Amino acid sequence: GENVEQHPSTLSVQEGDSAVIKCTYSDSASNYFPWYKQELGKGPQLIIDIRSNVGEKKDQRIAVTLNKTAKHFSLHITETQPEDSAVYFCAADLTGNQFYFGTGTSLTVIP
Amino acid sequence: GAVVSQHPSWVICKSGTSVKIECRSLDFQATTMFWYRQFPKQSLMLMATSNEGSKATYEQGVEKDKFLINHASLTLSTLTVTSAHPEDSSFYICSARDSGTVYGYTFGSGTRLTVV
Repeated sequence: GENVEQHPSTLSVQEGDSAVIKCTYSDSASNYFPWYKQELGKGPQLIIDIRSNVGEKKDQRIAVTLNKTAKHFSLHITETQPEDSAVYFCAADLTGNQFYFGTGTSLTVIP
Repeated sequence: GAVVSQHPSWVICKSGTSVKIECRSLDFQATTMFWYRQFPKQSLMLMATSNEGSKATYEQGVEKDKFLINHASLTLSTLTVTSAHPEDSSFYICSARDSGTVYGYTFGSGTRLTVV
C-alpha cells in the first residue's frame, strides 16, 4: 500500500509570513494529491488538490507543488492569517477509491 | 459543491449500549462512502469502505461485528457502534465521493462519541 509522510508535525509562524508543509509518498502510481484543513471538532475541508499531470497549482494564497520524480508534494500558504490556524493533512490517492493520509501538521499563526 | 451531512455531531452513551451515526450525501449520489476514526491530535484512520448494496470492506484490525456499516441507498450510510466501551470514544468521520466524478471526496463534519 501507499505510505504518506508529512512534516513538520507542528508549525508556528508570524502573521503575514509564509508556511510550508511537505509530504512524501511511496507509491509512484499515486495520481491525486489533496490537502485538507481541519479545524477543532470539525471534519476535514478540501482546500486544494493536484493531479499527477500537473506540477503546480495555485488558488489565491494557497499553492501546491508536486515533484513526481522525488515523490513529494508541498503546501504553501502565503500572507498567513490567524484564521489559517488549523491542522492540515495531505493525502495520496492510489486507486481513485482510497486515500492515504499524512500524519497532520498543526499550524499556528501568531498575530 | 458536494455536501455530506453527518449526524449526530456529538453523542454521549453508556457502556454497553449501541450508537448509530448517519452520513448522507445531500446533492449527489455516492456509491462508496468511507468511515474514519480519529483520536486526539492524530491523523484519520480508515476503518471501512462502505459500498451501496453490498457488504462493507473493513480494514485490518477493525471488528466488523462491533462497527456495523449499512449502505442501503446511494445517499445514506450508517455506522453503528455496538456494545460501546470507553475505548470506543473517538471522533468518527465519514466521507463520500460523487459517483459522477473520478476524484473529489467530501467529508462530513464528524461525530464526537463519548462512552461513559
